[in-house]
Amino acid sequence: KQEVTQIPAALSVPEGENLVLNCSFTDSAIYNLQWFRQDPGKGLTSLLLIQSSQREQTSGRLNASLDKSSGRSTLYIAASQPGDSATYLCAVRPSAGGTSYGKLTFGQGTILTVHP
Amino acid sequence: GAVVSQHPSRVICKSGTSVKIECRSLDFQATTMFWYRQFPKQSLMLMATSNEGSKATYEQGVEKDKFLINHASLTLSTLTVTSAHPEDSSFYICSARDSSGSADTQYFGPGTRLTVL
Repeated sequence: KQEVTQIPAALSVPEGENLVLNCSFTDSAIYNLQWFRQDPGKGLTSLLLIQSSQREQTSGRLNASLDKSSGRSTLYIAASQPGDSATYLCAVRPSAGGTSYGKLTFGQGTILTVHP
Repeated sequence: GAVVSQHPSRVICKSGTSVKIECRSLDFQATTMFWYRQFPKQSLMLMATSNEGSKATYEQGVEKDKFLINHASLTLSTLTVTSAHPEDSSFYICSARDSSGSADTQYFGPGTRLTVL
């Protein structure tokens, strides 16, 4: 059974800092890994999706890397801003085939607070 | 990107009543939709996989008679919480799978906040 762990559980930083959020997963047979943002009481916003064959994806100040063999992904946020404050979730999707196909397993999330 | 809507966004009901939540894919057809629930300060837990034209597949520990899922068309899945109790209060989120293009992607709805009094 796939297990996804995110470290740290919470992070508080001053504005302008570069920061790294970590995600690890136990089963490396994945189809892709996705990072989401969730604001309080809201749904999920997809930030970056990395296919299993890819090493990283970038969007603006966000960069996500994937090391499938070691079961790790990191989300790098450059020059953090108060508007980045939210919960960040990573989720993995298993490889094709079997009853788990298409199902996402989520980590517990990292609660990020960026203060002015 | 593709849009998935949920209705209602928020519902308050009395204990013992049933509540229906709709999940719609607005600009693509979704043969598969997923239903998740999220307790406060916790992550999303998959409840069931909804397949168009067939019975839903429930995750271990989820009561299928309690959480009725109907995927009657390629753009609509509904989740009915039957005889709701306060412990059913939660945030329910659906996702719809778009497998039409080269990238097989899931898109998430905005969620429904259910409060059972």
